[in-house]
Amino acid sequence: AQKVTQAQTEISVVEKEDVTLDCVYETRDTTYYLFWYKQPPSGELVFLIRRNSFDEQNEISGRYSWNFQKSTSSFNFTITASQVVDSAVYFCALILTGGGNKLTFGTGTQLKVEL
Amino acid sequence: GAGVSQTPSNKVTEKGKYVELRCDPISGHTALYWYRQSLGQGPEFLIYFQGTGAADDSGLPNDRFFAVRPEGSVSTLKIQRTERGDSAVYLCASSTGGFYNEQFFGPGTRLTVL
Repeated sequence: AQKVTQAQTEISVVEKEDVTLDCVYETRDTTYYLFWYKQPPSGELVFLIRRNSFDEQNEISGRYSWNFQKSTSSFNFTITASQVVDSAVYFCALILTGGGNKLTFGTGTQLKVEL
Repeated sequence: GAGVSQTPSNKVTEKGKYVELRCDPISGHTALYWYRQSLGQGPEFLIYFQGTGAADDSGLPNDRFFAVRPEGSVSTLKIQRTERGDSAVYLCASSTGGFYNEQFFGPGTRLTVL
């Protein structure tokens, strides 16, 4: 069975600091997709990124960047120059190509960005 | 366009009662999902519909939980004989189908069983 681990329960940073959220996954499948979702205080999950298991290229989108390393089964997320609006719970999730359409989520990392 | 909507936003019920939670997916989305999120946890998969049929209901915890999607659009999650342990936020998501497609989530229904 697949599993996603987000070991950091809560991270607090001061605005403008860089912060990295860790995600480690477990699966025996060779083809899968990884996702990051943001859950602000309003509660609605917001999609951030999708990455397939064959594409290990890092990706940058504005202040966000993602580092996918298959060798360590990690898909880490970095926010550069954090802002108060980044405060939210961030979830990493996994979906198997042969396992139906269900997302397996980690337990989330609560990010607090303070002034 | 309109996103996924869920009603009610909050539901308080007593132990043993029956509840129905409704999900209205994004128009044209063929796939619909139900997840349950307990406090401090990530969402847990309950059931997935492709069209009108339940393609995967492996996440339903027991036979008190049932979901339907009779016309391939709106879905209702039904919980019989509610228990205090059923208290959680129930999330609905929809997508255009295909395992790799982004799932768009609704705001959730917070169910409290007293």
